[in-house]
Formats: sequence, C-alpha cells, structure tokens
Amino acid sequence: QKEVEQDPGPLSVPEGAIVSLNCTYSNSAFQYFMWYRQYSRKGPELLMYTYSSGNKEDGRFTAQVDKSSKYISLFIRDSQPSDSATYLCAMSARPDTGRRALTFGSGTRLQVQP
Amino acid sequence: KAGVTQTPRYLIKTRGQQVTLSCSPISGHRSVSWYQQTPGQGLQFLFEYFSETQRNKGNFPGRFSGRQFSNSRSEMNVSTLELGDSALYLCASSLEGDGRYEQYFGPGTRLTVT
Repeated sequence: QKEVEQDPGPLSVPEGAIVSLNCTYSNSAFQYFMWYRQYSRKGPELLMYTYSSGNKEDGRFTAQVDKSSKYISLFIRDSQPSDSATYLCAMSARPDTGRRALTFGSGTRLQVQP
Repeated sequence: KAGVTQTPRYLIKTRGQQVTLSCSPISGHRSVSWYQQTPGQGLQFLFEYFSETQRNKGNFPGRFSGRQFSNSRSEMNVSTLELGDSALYLCASSLEGDGRYEQYFGPGTRLTVT
C-alpha cells in the first residue's frame, strides 16, 4: 500500500464549478502538507502549503488538513479552463529536523470544460 | 526573483552512457532536492543537498549521485544508463530558515534513454 493515496481521475467539471481534490495518507509522522499544480510537460507549481491540521485560504484555493483522519483536501472555487492540469498532493515529516523529502500522491488530472 | 532553472531541458542518451544534469536554485535558497517523475512511479525523491552535503537520500541505486557547490548550484549524475532511467528529472529548492520548508520546482530535464 502506498503511503499517500490520490484518485488519478480524470475529473471533468464545468467552468465555474467548485472542485474538491483529496488525498489520504498512512504515515502519522507527516506534518507538512502541500498542493502542487502541474501542467503538461512542466514542473510542479506550488499552490498551497499548510502545517498540521486546519484550513488555509488563498484566493480561489482552500486547503484543509485533518490529521485525525489522515485526510487532506484542496478546494477550487469558480474553476476556470486554465485550472485544467494535474494536481499533486505532497507531504513531509519533519523538515525542521532536516527530513525534507516529499512523498507525493500520484496526482489527479482535472479538466474544466468551458 | 528568478525561479529554479535546470539545464539541459531535453536529453537523449544511449544505454550504458552517463549523464549530468544541472540545477540552479532560487537566489538565497540553500537546500536543493532532486526527484524523478515517471508515468508508472510518479514523483520519487532522489536526494537532498544542503551546504554542499548530502542530507537525505531516497531509495535509488548507487548509479544515481549528486553534488552541490558553494554557490548552492547542484548537479546530479546517472552512470551506466538503463532504459528505465527515462524520466523527467526535477530539481526543487527550499529556503532554509524562518520555518519555511516549502519546495519550489524547476521545469525539469526530460531524459530519454534509447
């Protein structure tokens, strides 16, 4: 079983919809959680970065972390065709102690239809 | 501020050859990590360097190696290339200090081994 599970999709939504992307994980040591967006043939772009449980909002994006359930989510409001990409969740244990290796989900491919 | 840069962007090599990839981190970032991305395995951590020292290493054979220079630029080398080494190789840099551990990725080097 993988440490981080993510539904590969594809997920197809109409423009303007609210998108919900999710990851579950099994390693309780994970404390730092990130969401990346990756367009085809490009490097991952950091969208959101959160520590421990709770919510974080940035524009149309909201990240949620529920450590008790080992479940993280990314919500995209008012989705646009330009949001069409693969979304990757990533997490790490204790980067403050030098353990910076990120463990990634497999990515969810999102298609926003105009 | 310029982002992470990687050179070359594309490479085609033959089995048995060796290859060197280069990464320049964001100005001021002292930590550089390398990842391999393939369709089958997704994004996997290779190794991380800080202050010219390898701090973490992923589960890859010894054919994969790297180094970091005093200006934080990093190189990774793959010797005796195999067909399975065909992948997108991504470099990420991270700011050390102020509790900032998020990693920013470059565009990657796409390596094809024939």
